[in-house]
This record gives sequence, C-alpha cells and structure tokens, in this order.
Amino acid sequence: EPEVTQTPSHQVTQMGQEVILRCVPISNHLYFYWYRQILGQKVEFLVSFYNNEISEKSEIFDDQFSVERPDGSNFTLKIRSTKLEDSAMYFCASSDRENNEKLFFGSGTQLSVL
Amino acid sequence: DAKTTQPPSMDCAEGRAANLPCNHSTISGNEYVYWYRQIHSQGPQYIIHGLKNNETNEMASLIITEDRKSSTLILPHATLRDTAVYYCIAEMTTDSWGKLQFGAGTQVVVTP
Repeated sequence: EPEVTQTPSHQVTQMGQEVILRCVPISNHLYFYWYRQILGQKVEFLVSFYNNEISEKSEIFDDQFSVERPDGSNFTLKIRSTKLEDSAMYFCASSDRENNEKLFFGSGTQLSVL
Repeated sequence: DAKTTQPPSMDCAEGRAANLPCNHSTISGNEYVYWYRQIHSQGPQYIIHGLKNNETNEMASLIITEDRKSSTLILPHATLRDTAVYYCIAEMTTDSWGKLQFGAGTQVVVTP
C-alpha cells in the first residue's frame, strides 16, 4: 500500500537554528498537509497546500513557518528560527482530491529544540 | 465545526467487539463523521467516515443515529494491535481544506 514518507525520523537542533522537515506524499495525491503534536497534547493542524500555494493555515503557522513543494515529489516544512516550544512530532499528510478528508499520514518527525 | 464528545478511555477483550461511542449533538447537515486512530504516537490513520447511512469497510463499521447526534464505531473482533487512541471528528468536506480538528479521543486498550 502506498505511504507517506517523512525524513528524518528524529531531528535535534539548537534554538534559533533553521530546520527543514521533509515529506514524500503519495505519488498521485494533490493535497498536502502538515500537522504537529506536542508531547501529551492533541494533534494540531498547521497548514494545507494545493496547486503550489497555501490553502488554509492555523494561527500556529506564523511567519517563522513556510512550506514548499520544490519538485514533483517532495513537500517540505521549514522553521526559520526554532524556539523551544516548537519541539513536537510533526506529521505530513496527503489526500487525493479536493473535499476529501481521508488523509494519509506519515509516521512523523520528532523535532527536539534544545 | 461540530464539537464531539468521547469517553476518555475504554478497555476491550481481545476477540470481542469494541463499541466506541461519540456524541456530536450540534452537528450540521453537511458535516460528516470521521474516525481516525493513532497507535502510540504514530501518524493518525483513517478508519471510516459517513454522513447519514451506516458504513462498513474492512476495518470497522460506523453506526450513525437517525438524528445524527451520535455515532458508534464498531471494531468487530478487536486484536491487540487495535490498542490506540480513537478520534471522532465532525467535519465538512467543503471549504475545510483538510483542517481536521482532533480532540482528546478515546484511549482503547485491548487486553488478552
């Protein structure tokens, strides 16, 4: 079964550093998403992306965050200057058509900001 | 989006059916009921969704009451691998752009 792939599985960084989290969505999917989950808390929506632009974003997704689809297969989340509170598990997801809430999630990248 | 209410936890014996309730009394006519689960900090996994009619797939069955104010997810023969947090989400499929509102869910523990 096709799956969403995320790399790295763990990322440790110093506060103030830039990080890029990478995702390879399912190949025929057109809609891409980032979610995050702080340890012990709920899964939170960050951003959705379609047709090379952001469709929807949450209040969490401020100017420090950006997303990009640099080629036909990768989807990235960049945090420009990490803060301690950015420590979380970040999940990438994709879906195959508009108005389809059947999202396929990756296994996540655990980001630790020291 | 409609708020959903789920019990925080429940236990189930292996091989028995697990019935997971969800209340969504303020659900609107164009909101679907979605169920996802999350196995030990892995990414959430889609299970099933429905609008009005009962639905069944290879993973589970979804029973929605006639007034749509509540629903039940049924895992027909629970296995140890079904131990997970189960999320009930009410979501419109238009204009939501995949913005799923996850709550705290129900922690299901399947015991031998």
